[in-house]
Amino acid sequence: GESVGLHLPTLSVQEGDNSIINCAYSNSASDYFIWYKQESGKGPQFIIDIRSNMDKRQGQRVTVLLNKTVKHLSLQIAATQPGDSAVYFCAEKPPWSQGNLIFGKGTKLSVKP
Amino acid sequence: ETGVTQTPRHLVMGMTNKKSLKCEQHLGHNAMYWYKQSAKKPLELMFVYSLEERVENNSVPSRFSPECPNSSHLFLHLHTLQPEDSALYLCASSQVARSSYEQYFGPGTRLTVT
Repeated sequence: GESVGLHLPTLSVQEGDNSIINCAYSNSASDYFIWYKQESGKGPQFIIDIRSNMDKRQGQRVTVLLNKTVKHLSLQIAATQPGDSAVYFCAEKPPWSQGNLIFGKGTKLSVKP
Repeated sequence: ETGVTQTPRHLVMGMTNKKSLKCEQHLGHNAMYWYKQSAKKPLELMFVYSLEERVENNSVPSRFSPECPNSSHLFLHLHTLQPEDSALYLCASSQVARSSYEQYFGPGTRLTVT
């Protein structure tokens, strides 16, 4: 069945280091991908998105890389800060979907001061 | 804040109770969603309303009944729930037909069924 999964359920990094969160998606025809951050007690918040016609997209301190050959998505966070501690979800949009997203399980990022 | 509010934030109910969850979006979006978030599981899409019409019902038990009276409000009516229904229920909204498919989430309602 369809699934979007994450390679690492937990990730612990030192403050100031770069973080890389990985995601494997299952549908090679998915045309849109998005990363969300969910802090404790809050709903998911948008971080960055990317369309399938791109390989890389940068935001403020974050970069998303898309490798369609191996159906892999990653989120890179530069100079990780304690405020980045949260659970990070990736999601994909299959081409037949008008807007519905398929979410992965999430990776918990812990930043050590 | 994302512009999507949910009430109540916490709810404890017995298996014979009837309760409703409320969601309101202030973003002018035309699609709204209900998700269930359980521990160690991906977000599960329950219902989708687009232009106030239900377009998706992912095999959700009938003890969950959605209602979308207008494009800004979404309800989830709960009746005779089971303990396994305890979870965080998230509402989201989006603007269908835009170039981005970003969904804006509310803070969720933490539901405990006793």
